[in-house]
Amino acid sequence: GAVVSQHPSWVICKSGTSVKIECRSLDFQATTMFWYRQFPKQSLMLMATSNEGSKATYEQGVEKDKFLINHASLTLSTLTVTSAHPEDSSFYICSAATGGINNSPLHFGNGTRLTVT
Amino acid sequence: KNEVEQSPQNLTAQEGEFITINCSYSVGISALHWLQQHPGGGIVSLFMLSSGKKKHGRLIATINIQEKHSSLHITASHPRDSAVYICAVRLIKAAGNKLTFGGGTRVLVKP
Repeated sequence: GAVVSQHPSWVICKSGTSVKIECRSLDFQATTMFWYRQFPKQSLMLMATSNEGSKATYEQGVEKDKFLINHASLTLSTLTVTSAHPEDSSFYICSAATGGINNSPLHFGNGTRLTVT
Repeated sequence: KNEVEQSPQNLTAQEGEFITINCSYSVGISALHWLQQHPGGGIVSLFMLSSGKKKHGRLIATINIQEKHSSLHITASHPRDSAVYICAVRLIKAAGNKLTFGGGTRVLVKP
């Protein structure tokens, strides 16, 4: 089946540094990828929709200058947390759709646990 | 009020028991997903439904569009079924594949 690879699976960084998280669709082309954030014991919260070749669409309350998204190819989207702070510590997970139609199945990466010290 | 409500929030069962998780939504949808999130965080898509019923192994998912309700059933539950189960809907008013999530149901199956 379709596979989405997310890297790294965990990262610890110092406050003020930037961290890049990659999301790759391994055996299909993903024109759209989604980035979510999840705090402990809470559900997923959509941060932004990443569209190949165009600007990402951010959800209300998500700072686009802090969470930079680049979707440079049909198989790769990246999320960069800039000038990270301890409150950015969270679980970040991406998903991609296998098809271009609205109701295609979604496939998720395994997530990245970010800890900012 | 959330657009997607799940119940129960937590569920503990003995191995072998039949488990039911419910999901209600308040707006028009084009599809409903049931997701399974393992303790490590990874998420697996179990079902995508727009009508009727689907079965995969010991898992059964049903949806009633008129009542805006879906259920996920686990038959002959096993400790490896312990996970968080999340209902997510694709709203008709939403563009593309954007999902709205329920709060999740934390399931623990004891041996």
